[in-house]
Amino acid sequence: NAGVTQTPKFRVLKTGQSMTLLCAQDMNHEYMYWYRQDPGMGLRLIHYSVGEGTTAKGEVPDGYNVSRLKKQNFLLGLESAAPSQTSVYFCASSPDTPPFSGVTDTQYFGPGTRLTVL
Amino acid sequence: AQSVTQLGSHVSVSEGALVLLRCNYSSSVPPYLFWYVQYPNQGLQLLLKYTSAATLVKGINGFEAEFKKSETSFHLTKPSAHMSDAAEYFCAVMIFGNEKLTFGTGTRLTIIP
Repeated sequence: NAGVTQTPKFRVLKTGQSMTLLCAQDMNHEYMYWYRQDPGMGLRLIHYSVGEGTTAKGEVPDGYNVSRLKKQNFLLGLESAAPSQTSVYFCASSPDTPPFSGVTDTQYFGPGTRLTVL
Repeated sequence: AQSVTQLGSHVSVSEGALVLLRCNYSSSVPPYLFWYVQYPNQGLQLLLKYTSAATLVKGINGFEAEFKKSETSFHLTKPSAHMSDAAEYFCAVMIFGNEKLTFGTGTRLTIIP
């Protein structure tokens, strides 16, 4: 079990460039999340997904798009990168919590992607 | 809407001393509460969680936390600090049936030899 993996680990972009961050999980989890972490601000939710083919906006969605075409993968896209998007990005996943359907609690995190936009 | 407040962005304790990291929550309904730890250049790892069972929750690495509804608190403690406890700690809250976690701003714990 690799758990939650993120690709790439580091990336430097110029303003206006685009890129896609890939998150993959091999735990058959229903829920997946993208966060950004900035100094003194904790983790803020960008977008999330409650199942394959679904996505929803989190706290700070502007400038980002996501897709969940396969249950195990959750992609985060930056169409036109800005310096304000310089951050560390974390992906997480969580399972349904039996006996309830549609309920989850513990999230499992990837190692992060450090993105710098110049 | 739910929120958490972590008092003290930096806490320093001597090796062997008590560790106390504070977390207060705000929620209109009974919450789920979590403590996560982040070691340098790594992702977050669950330390412990409260999901409406026992109010005193024991986690990994000797940490525990007590849910106190009257004080809206979920403080993290460890009786004797170890050098390996140096990390950043995040408190988080979730509402039952709502799949989103809301994190506090974190407390960086430094252990003094």
